[in-house]
Formats: sequence, structure tokens, C-alpha cells
Amino acid sequence: NAGVTQTPKFRILKIGQSMTLQCTQDMNHNYMYWYRQDPGMGLKLIYYSVGAGITDKGEVPNGYNVSRSTTEDFPLRLELAAPSQTSVYFCASRTTSGGTLYNEQFFGPGTRLTVL
Amino acid sequence: GEDVEQSLFLSVREGDSSVINCTYTDSSSTYLYWYKQEPGAGLQLLTYIFSNMDMKQDQRLTVLLNKKDKHLSLRIADTQTGDSAIYFCAESVLSSGSARQLTFGSGTQLTVLP
Repeated sequence: NAGVTQTPKFRILKIGQSMTLQCTQDMNHNYMYWYRQDPGMGLKLIYYSVGAGITDKGEVPNGYNVSRSTTEDFPLRLELAAPSQTSVYFCASRTTSGGTLYNEQFFGPGTRLTVL
Repeated sequence: GEDVEQSLFLSVREGDSSVINCTYTDSSSTYLYWYKQEPGAGLQLLTYIFSNMDMKQDQRLTVLLNKKDKHLSLRIADTQTGDSAIYFCAESVLSSGSARQLTFGSGTQLTVLP
């Protein structure tokens, strides 16, 4: 299994541009998450999904959109990039089946985004 | 509200023990976690503890939980240079959508000096 993969690894955007951060997992996990990590800060939850076709807002959803048309993919869309969205973005997934006793989330390697 | 707090930095000498501390606020947390983040990488689960436990030992790692004070600590015995990383404490909280989410602390940068 490749686990959780994210593309691109790095991206520089100009203010007002749009882009989609891709996230794919091959573990058949039902839950998927998007976080942002600002310097010296913990991870803040942007959006999450409990299964295909179902998404919900996290702590910091403004300026972002998501969709979940398949179990594997959970793209994050920035429509009008702003400097405040400069951050490292992590995608994660977990399963709730198979007798999982704890909430282990598996993380992708991250996308480092700079908005100038 | 939910808030998980950690000190930002810790330096230790190779071979010494490291203790990273964390305080959390949600008394309904079922599990508490320690994640490790190496430079340029995502987070990896290091260990976890169920909220009805006081202590959990896993090789060089010891997790202590004081539920009354909402205090969690991670002790790394015989710290090695490969342990240099950022360590995040996280608690599992019930979100408004009835799904459990993780709330992370700001992370503790552990530097192991030779």
C-alpha cells in the first residue's frame, strides 16, 4: 500500500489564483481529513469526510472547499488564494471498521503552499 | 473549548531521558495520543493511551496520564539522535457532527545533543 499520497509537494500561488490539492488513499478508509499546519502551531482541521458523498466543516473551513466523490480521493480546493492561506497542508485518513480500537489517523507527507 | 497545550522546545543530551508534557481540556476524551513528525514529513502515531489507564509502557516510551489534572506526559528513555523531531499531543474530542476528531497541541521540538 502506498498509504496516503498528496500532490503537489510544493506550490507557489499568486493572490487570487485558485488550485486544488490532491489527496488519495489506498487503504479503503472511510474517514478522510484535511489539516493545515502553521509555523509553531498544531494542526487545525479544515474539513473532513466520513464517507463518499459526505463532507463536513472543521475548525477553519473559510476559503476552502472539498468534495468526496470516491472513497479514495478527497481534494481540497482554494478558490481565491490569500496570503493567510500560506501553510503546510496535510491530508489524513482512518478506518472505523475491522475492530479498530483507537483513532489512528494516517497522514500524507504534506503540501507546502505559499501565497504571494 | 478544546485546547491542548505543550511547551515548544526541549533539548536533552544523547542517552538521557526526555519528558514531554501536555495538558488538555476535554474530560470526555477517550484516547490521548502522541504523534511524531520528522522534518519534511507527515505525522506518525507513536503511541496512545486509553483514558481509563494511568500508565502505558512501550519499549523506550512511557506515557503517564493524570486524568484529574488533565495532564499527559511522554517519557523517552535513552534518547537517541534519531528521536529529534516534533512531538504532538492530541486528544480525541466529539465534534458537532457526532464524529470524533483529534485536537492537536502546538508540538514540542525535541533536540538531542551529542
